[in-house]
Amino acid sequence: SQQGEEDPQALSIQEGENATMNCSYKTSINNLQWYRQNSGRGLVHLILIRSNEREKHSGRLRVTLDTSKKSSSLLITASRAADTASYFCATDASGGSRLTFGEGTQLTVNP
Amino acid sequence: GAVVSQHPSWVICKSGTSVKIECRSLDFQATTMFWYRQFPKQSLMLMATSNEGSKATYEQGVEKDKFLINHASLTLSTLTVTSAHPEDSSFYICSARGLAGEPYEQYFGPGTRLTVT
Repeated sequence: SQQGEEDPQALSIQEGENATMNCSYKTSINNLQWYRQNSGRGLVHLILIRSNEREKHSGRLRVTLDTSKKSSSLLITASRAADTASYFCATDASGGSRLTFGEGTQLTVNP
Repeated sequence: GAVVSQHPSWVICKSGTSVKIECRSLDFQATTMFWYRQFPKQSLMLMATSNEGSKATYEQGVEKDKFLINHASLTLSTLTVTSAHPEDSSFYICSARGLAGEPYEQYFGPGTRLTVT
């Protein structure tokens, strides 16, 4: 079953703006990962944050994790039209086995 | 490195026939492979986990006799959809985890679009 819930379900912004997506989960985790999926394509791994980490950066991406609230956020700064895609969070409860994906956020960046 | 391929990338078959989808790790040995299904505009649902040389572990609600998974080598896993029906039409994605690297690292294939007519 899917334990991750993401909001918003859809987000439309202008190029240059920041995009923030949120993910909530229900059980304890070992790590949480964010993926991007372009329409009809496979998944691209963006960033992983471990349960003992609170924030992580990678280029224009910033991920936060609040294990007390069982939530995470993904911030994409200075968005580009090429960032248009679906973004999924995925939780890994045991560090190496099953990933449970959230419902995803469809991001549209208008040029 | 860490490339996973799937073949075919898309397939159309008639109701009642069987379809085999291959998942290959091209430049690493995959001890574990995962199979996911994704319906349009929905998230990925894990179907099964397969370890090389052993039987696959299926998620609740996934019919193991309908979705046959074989992980015969460290670089190849196959998913066979038997007696396919239109409701099996979906996007099937595999991922692989290697011997080396962090245990939580999974590498995803590009997916296979199955349409059953």
